[in-house]
Amino acid sequence: AQRVTQPEKLLSVFKGAPVELKCNYSYSGSPELFWYVQYSRQRLQLLLRHISRESIKGFTADLNKGETSFHLKKPFAQEEDSAMYYCALGDQAGTALIFGKGTTLSVSS
Amino acid sequence: NAGVTQTPKFQVLKTGQSMTLQCAQDMNHNSMYWYRQDPGMGLRLIYYSASEGTTDKGEVPNGYNVSRLNKREFSLRLESAAPSQTSVYFCASSAVTQFYGYTFGSGTRLTVV
Repeated sequence: AQRVTQPEKLLSVFKGAPVELKCNYSYSGSPELFWYVQYSRQRLQLLLRHISRESIKGFTADLNKGETSFHLKKPFAQEEDSAMYYCALGDQAGTALIFGKGTTLSVSS
Repeated sequence: NAGVTQTPKFQVLKTGQSMTLQCAQDMNHNSMYWYRQDPGMGLRLIYYSASEGTTDKGEVPNGYNVSRLNKREFSLRLESAAPSQTSVYFCASSAVTQFYGYTFGSGTRLTVV
């Protein structure tokens, strides 16, 4: 079964600390993986696509097929990074995204 | 560009009432989706439309119907609202399939009392 697991509901860090938001997936074949971010009272926005290997707002994510993971990382957290983060997986049929349950990141000074 | 526009933003319904959530996109996207967002549950797919004229059920379709009116518009209807349908509803669109990522609307916060 296709599945996305985000094991942490809440991650609290101090400003300037490294951040790692965990995402594990279950999928047969080559997955299409994404990270979305939702700031307070705003719509979800695409943060990263693994296929483009880009870095947005200092965040990066590497696909590890051996560990079936796509963790989101940032070396130095900022208060404006506080938001809900969702990991998403393209389904096997190529029709829709499967989302994890989300992780709330709280960055305090 | 407006992107994806959802109406209304907020709605309170009584149990048994019906309503339609509207969604329109101006990006000439082929695919459109309806998700619901619940605390601790993430986003779950209700229905999707891969292209104009087609609709398919997602993970949680019970209690909902959809209409892909044209390429721009994809509406979600609750025929007889239940408290379990209290949620935030998001519409999204994508150019071809999910591989290009979604553009989301701002959401509709629905409360059924």
